[in-house]
Amino acid sequence: SQTIHQWPATLVQPVGSPLSLECTVEGTSNPNLYWYRQAAGRGLQLLFYSVGIGQISSEVPQNLSASRPQDRQFILSSKKLLLSDSGFYLCAWSPLMDRGTDTQYFGPGTRLTVL
Amino acid sequence: GQQVMQIPQYQHVQEGEDFTTYCNSSTTLSNIQWYKQRPGGHPVFLIQLVKSGEVKKQKRLTFQFGEAKKNSSLHITATQTTDVGTYFCAGRRDYKLSFGAGTTVTVRA
Repeated sequence: SQTIHQWPATLVQPVGSPLSLECTVEGTSNPNLYWYRQAAGRGLQLLFYSVGIGQISSEVPQNLSASRPQDRQFILSSKKLLLSDSGFYLCAWSPLMDRGTDTQYFGPGTRLTVL
Repeated sequence: GQQVMQIPQYQHVQEGEDFTTYCNSSTTLSNIQWYKQRPGGHPVFLIQLVKSGEVKKQKRLTFQFGEAKKNSSLHITATQTTDVGTYFCAGRRDYKLSFGAGTTVTVRA
């Protein structure tokens, strides 16, 4: 069965510090991968998605970046965090569209607080 | 761009009562998905609707996809405390899945 891991689970960082959040998927190959941010009590904002190694599409211009160095690894980074970067960061994967379903499976998330 | 709107944003329900949450898109969708996020948790897939006018049931939950494939609804009967959480719809058009802002449900015992 497929599993998705995210770490760390919680993070408190000062403004201006760097960020690196990691997401890995097991039990599937060539997944589509996504990074979402959810502000407190709000909906899901798509930040980045990737259809393959090294292929990253950005949905929202900001001080965050994403990378996919391996097929099942997705990394969210920032060089300098802002207060507005606080939120719940969710990684998700979905099968390729031609596999008949595009359900998204979410990881447990990382709660980031920028002080 | 494609927008998916959900109403109401908050739903306070007496245990045992029914309620409905609605999802509307500005564009025709190829499918619509529903997710549930429990407090402190992550979204979990509930169901996907693909066909125009499709209706699917999961125990006390009834999901419907509109004839024009632009709207959807989730109806919960005999609400229980386990129904607490935020329900998101997500509409797919082309490659993109757009999430609504969610309906947060609280239940009064």
